[in-house]
Amino acid sequence: ILNVEQSPQSLHVQEGDSTNFTCSFPSSNFYALHWYRWETAKSPKALFVMTLNGDEKKKGRISATLNTKEGYSYLYIKGSQPEDSATYLCASLNQAGTALIFGKGTTLSVSS
Amino acid sequence: EAGVVQSPRYKIIEKKQPVAFWCNPISGHNTLYWYLQNLGQGPELLIRYENEEAVDDSQLPKDRFSAERLKGVDSTLKIQPAELGDSAVYLCASSPSGPGELFFGEGSRLTVL
Repeated sequence: ILNVEQSPQSLHVQEGDSTNFTCSFPSSNFYALHWYRWETAKSPKALFVMTLNGDEKKKGRISATLNTKEGYSYLYIKGSQPEDSATYLCASLNQAGTALIFGKGTTLSVSS
Repeated sequence: EAGVVQSPRYKIIEKKQPVAFWCNPISGHNTLYWYLQNLGQGPELLIRYENEEAVDDSQLPKDRFSAERLKGVDSTLKIQPAELGDSAVYLCASSPSGPGELFFGEGSRLTVL
């Protein structure tokens, strides 16, 4: 069974702070790594889908990196805003490459 | 384009009662997933459909859970009878084909009393 770990479990930052989260996954038989943002009372939305070692993707103030050899991905948020408050989930394809296995998520709270 | 639609959004039942959840995926999406999300945990796959075929139901507790996707479009997930431990959010997701980006519904939150 693929084990995806995320840290920290939760964090609270002030508006304007930059922050980052970690997702670790088994590096063997890697297929792809996904990041999703899940706001309260809404549906999870994809942020990034990453496949290649060394991938770096950016969407506005949010960016992510991928290291498939050591089995980790970082999600960065620059200048956090209250609307960034959400649970951030990462997920990796299982060894059969057919379904995503999710971590428990990192819950971010940004206060103004 | 309409997103993934789930109903009901919230359901409260007493234990041993049946409950059903419905999902309408994005038009044209062949792959449909049901995930279970317990409080403090990440979503866990219950079942995956490719069109009308259940290709991965290894994590579905078949003694009380059942699912169907007739005609390869809408899907229904049923629990009978419900137990206290079934209280959770049931998420439906779809993707165009195979394990690409998932498009999620808002989930159905079940509370079993």
